[in-house]
Amino acid sequence: DTAVSQTPKYLVTQMGNDKSIKCEQNLGHDTMYWYKQDSKKFLKIMFSYNNKELIINETVPNRFSPKSPDKAHLNLHINSLELGDSAVYFCASAPRAGVNTEAFFGQGTRLTVV
Amino acid sequence: QKEVEQDPGPLSVPEGAIVSLNCTYSNSAFQYFMWYRQYSRKGPELLMYTYSSGNKEDGRFTAQVDKSSKYISLFIRDSQPSDSATYLCAMTRGYQKVTFGIGTKLQVIP
Repeated sequence: DTAVSQTPKYLVTQMGNDKSIKCEQNLGHDTMYWYKQDSKKFLKIMFSYNNKELIINETVPNRFSPKSPDKAHLNLHINSLELGDSAVYFCASAPRAGVNTEAFFGQGTRLTVV
Repeated sequence: QKEVEQDPGPLSVPEGAIVSLNCTYSNSAFQYFMWYRQYSRKGPELLMYTYSSGNKEDGRFTAQVDKSSKYISLFIRDSQPSDSATYLCAMTRGYQKVTFGIGTKLQVIP
């Protein structure tokens, strides 16, 4: 059973489109994240949710909107896609808020904007 | 200056070699230090974490933290081709935000 699963795995879309990436974890964790890994492989946090509540919102354009319908799901919606949004987006989960020394990552969604 | 500096490599070593991977950091508030391994086209997976200074060993892997020098290391003994991956250091002050290094790409040649 996949602990943290993301869909889709690959996404190719045109500039200006709106797209969503879905994430689900079956670990019973309270905390979920979205990370972006750019072409230089630099992994950077975008958002963090704890029990459906947003607790970290890094400097991310407001075209990116996370939504957590319940603590097992964290989706990422992106409006008006730009070329610079091309990257691999990772969802992750961790047992609880507070000290986060262990995060479980999904396989990633490779987004290509053309 | 980035908060966490890590040489991206690539680092190529023969099978059986001892590998040393390192990161330096600038924020003295970091207290928890982690190493993740990322295979190509996969998500990162946690290898080890340590709190504050000192050493921690797990099988062929040893993590070392020197807070006075703001320097952390991961040693891999008897390296195997299956160890070929990108190794990311990560650290946190103990709150939610974890800061990652860029990752060092390691290739172990049979």
